[in-house]
Amino acid sequence: DAMVIQNPRYQVTQFGKPVTLSCSQTLNHNVMYWYQQKSSQAPKLLFHYYDKDFNNEADTPDNFQSRRPNTSFCFLDIRSPGLGDAAMYLCATSRRGGNQPQHFGDGTRLSIL
Amino acid sequence: DAKTTQPPSMDCAEGRAANLPCNHSTISGNEYVYWYRQIHSQGPQYIIHGLKNNETNEMASLIITEDRKSSTLILPHATLRDTAVYYCIVRVENQAGTALIFGKGTTLSVSS
Repeated sequence: DAMVIQNPRYQVTQFGKPVTLSCSQTLNHNVMYWYQQKSSQAPKLLFHYYDKDFNNEADTPDNFQSRRPNTSFCFLDIRSPGLGDAAMYLCATSRRGGNQPQHFGDGTRLSIL
Repeated sequence: DAKTTQPPSMDCAEGRAANLPCNHSTISGNEYVYWYRQIHSQGPQYIIHGLKNNETNEMASLIITEDRKSSTLILPHATLRDTAVYYCIVRVENQAGTALIFGKGTTLSVSS
């Protein structure tokens, strides 16, 4: 089945140690998003790619960066994770334009030691 | 995007219809109503969306009032696997690339 795949499902890193989360999609969607969801809170958009164009949300910390080497893959890099960055990170995709819904992966739960 | 109001929680017996209401009294003419759900430890799942006509797919039905100020998501035969947080989101069309603004949603508990 076509889908959005996030690996790994669980990631543990040390305080200050860079970590990369990955997302792949077989939907061939133009737009890819990264959301952060902290415990008992709603998902919050960090940034998105519209094709190759990167769009950062105004309040996304500089500690968070992203790469999209091709249509299928997108990475979330956290340069120096702090304890407050422990969260579920969700990748989503959508077609461009219109009223297209977003399709989410199952997320990567990041823990910081 | 218009604000939505949903009850914090609802219960439903397995096999019965679950009717989840959403109030969006400030909705604009070009705003769609979307429903997503999030099962524990999974990503949000798209369910259905509509503008003004009622919509049905394999998962659910969406009933939008004639004045568009409220809507109801109907799961016709709820199962235990439908236990989740259900989010009603209103957003303008042609907004690919913008955030879905999730509110607090309705926690639906389906029991046997």
